[in-house]
Amino acid sequence: KAGVTQTPRYLIKTRGQQVTLSCSPISGHRSVSWYQQTPGQGLQFLFEYFSETQRNKGNFPGRFSGRQFSNSRSEMNVSTLELGDSALYLCASSLDGGSYVGYTFGSGTRLTVV
Amino acid sequence: QKEVEQNSGPLSVPEGAIASLNCTYSDRGSQSFFWYRQYSGKSPELIMFIYSNGDKEDGRFTAQLNKASQYVSLLIRDSQPSDSATYLCAVGQVRGSQGNLIFGKGTKLSVKP
Repeated sequence: KAGVTQTPRYLIKTRGQQVTLSCSPISGHRSVSWYQQTPGQGLQFLFEYFSETQRNKGNFPGRFSGRQFSNSRSEMNVSTLELGDSALYLCASSLDGGSYVGYTFGSGTRLTVV
Repeated sequence: QKEVEQNSGPLSVPEGAIASLNCTYSDRGSQSFFWYRQYSGKSPELIMFIYSNGDKEDGRFTAQLNKASQYVSLLIRDSQPSDSATYLCAVGQVRGSQGNLIFGKGTKLSVKP
């Protein structure tokens, strides 16, 4: 059974640019959640998509957005990048939400903004 | 603001000892509790989850939950150097099957040979 696939693994971007990250969940999982991990703040919830609809949203500015496709693959986009957006972005896959049995995480995308 | 608090450590224990990791949470409505292990440079992996008050054992790991005290703990028996990692406590609010997890910042565990 394939795991959660995130691409790319590493990204270096310049302030003001935008970036798109991709996540393919475990086959059969319909929920995809995105988290930002930094040394200072830990894991912070960005948003969750379920059946192509955003179901939950964290406290991040509108520059952070996402979407989910009919095959459950998800993308997140960050526009007008800031230095503080440098972080590990983790995609979390679950059948229908993490609260019951938790998530399976992808390997993450390490974003560096210079 | 729903919060999950963990001692950042590092917690250092000798090989073969019991490591005790603790976590408190602020939201009394929380219903599901998780422990993740994260090795340096890797993504978190689920170790255990617990829903009910009391203990839940899985091999060398025991999760303990006390909802009245809003306290969760993870015990690792016979600690091994391979257990050295950051342990993340996560809390969920089960509404049907919906709801995201709120994570603590993690406790770094170091097991010395």
